[in-house]
Amino acid sequence: NAGVTQTPKFQVLKTGQSMTLQCAQDMNHNSMYWYRQDPGMGLRLIYYSASEGTTDKGEVPNGYNVSRLNKREFSLRLESAAPSQTSVYFCASTLRSSGANVLTFGAGSRLTVL
Amino acid sequence: QKEVEQDPGPLSVPEGAIVSLNCTYSNSAFQYFMWYRQYSRKGPELLMYTYSSGNKEDGRFTAQVDKSSKYISLFIRDSQPSDSATYLCAMFSSRGSARQLTFGSGTQLTVLP
Repeated sequence: NAGVTQTPKFQVLKTGQSMTLQCAQDMNHNSMYWYRQDPGMGLRLIYYSASEGTTDKGEVPNGYNVSRLNKREFSLRLESAAPSQTSVYFCASTLRSSGANVLTFGAGSRLTVL
Repeated sequence: QKEVEQDPGPLSVPEGAIVSLNCTYSNSAFQYFMWYRQYSRKGPELLMYTYSSGNKEDGRFTAQVDKSSKYISLFIRDSQPSDSATYLCAMFSSRGSARQLTFGSGTQLTVLP
């Protein structure tokens, strides 16, 4: 039972490069989320997908795009990476988008932008 | 001002101590309160989940919510070195603008053997 799987685990980019972080869950969850975690800032929501076919902006969406490819997969794309996007990125999922909103997180993807 | 404030620590205690971790919040709409535990270089995992004011106990862990004071706490009894982690409070509402989880910044705890 893998839960939430993120790839890659580590990535180093140069300013201006693009990349996609991949996330897949095998728990038949409806809702999926992308967070970034920075020292002293806690977890901040970038984008979320309440259900297959929908995506919405979170607290810090600028510089990112997302795609809910199907019910299992939710990707996060950086079109032109900036040093301010150096962070640890977490994907999460939950069965429902409201009510008992208990998230299951992946192990994280550490991104460094030089 | 952040909606959820949490003392970042670090907090260091001897094994067997009682640990108190706290968060304050400003949005009175929050209804559901959670504590997540995050080990180094891992994703957060749910530790405790409460709805409304009062206490909830699970083994060595007790979650306390005081809605009138907008204050939540996590108590760890007989702390163990394996409890060394960052503890994140989180909260949300099923209505209105607070439907997505809002996290505190986390408190780093070290339990010394």
